[in-house]
Amino acid sequence: QSVLTQPPSVSAAPRQKVTILCSGASSNIGSNYVSWYQQLPGTAPKIFIYDNNKRAPGIPDRFSASKSGTSAALDIAGLQTGDEADYYCGTWDSSLNVYVFGTGTKVTVL
Amino acid sequence: QVQLQESGPGLVKPSQTLSLICTVSGGSISSDSYYWTWVRQSAGKGLEWLGHIYIDGKRNYNPSLTNRVSLSIDRSKNLFSLKLNSVTAADTAVYYCAREPFVCTYGVCYPNWLEPWGQGTLVTVSS
Repeated sequence: QSVLTQPPSVSAAPRQKVTILCSGASSNIGSNYVSWYQQLPGTAPKIFIYDNNKRAPGIPDRFSASKSGTSAALDIAGLQTGDEADYYCGTWDSSLNVYVFGTGTKVTVL
Repeated sequence: QVQLQESGPGLVKPSQTLSLICTVSGGSISSDSYYWTWVRQSAGKGLEWLGHIYIDGKRNYNPSLTNRVSLSIDRSKNLFSLKLNSVTAADTAVYYCAREPFVCTYGVCYPNWLEPWGQGTLVTVSS
């Protein structure tokens, strides 16, 4: 069950910027840390952002994230073909007592 | 660097039990800073958190699995395990194990993020 909503897809030309939104509720995004994961085709998800806005080691500063209220956002600046992947937000839901993931967003570089 | 590796049968018959093991290398499963968790992903679908376990054996399961899931931990072998009972075709998925750092606020602890992940193992439920 995905209680966090993301757009199915976003796209932009190389070197442009995309923003992926993750919408939740007070019991999840509104009260707990948000993380973001990148999943390349055929591979396991990989942490990109943790604690709402901290980049994991080795993640370029083209990737940034923020949280406001019950929503979170991941920005990818200077888009590159290597950024084509599925991106998921994730956080703990204190009402369900479950770690919940977003519905996932496919990033396409035009 | 900690690495996780899933192992187990790739084919399970309907109504039987799915059993997977996650072996942890490069670090101790007995660290008091992490939960150990299972996540699955059906073909073309999103990620579903199944549950996690702590070194003292405390567990938390996804209620959507209606009591079919069971986790265990073997500190002597540095591994943890997943069992899912009464499987159906809907349980066909890639199963991942992962490590969860957690944070505690006013005595309530919850996972912060998942990293690293195992490479995943495909389990197909079919007769």
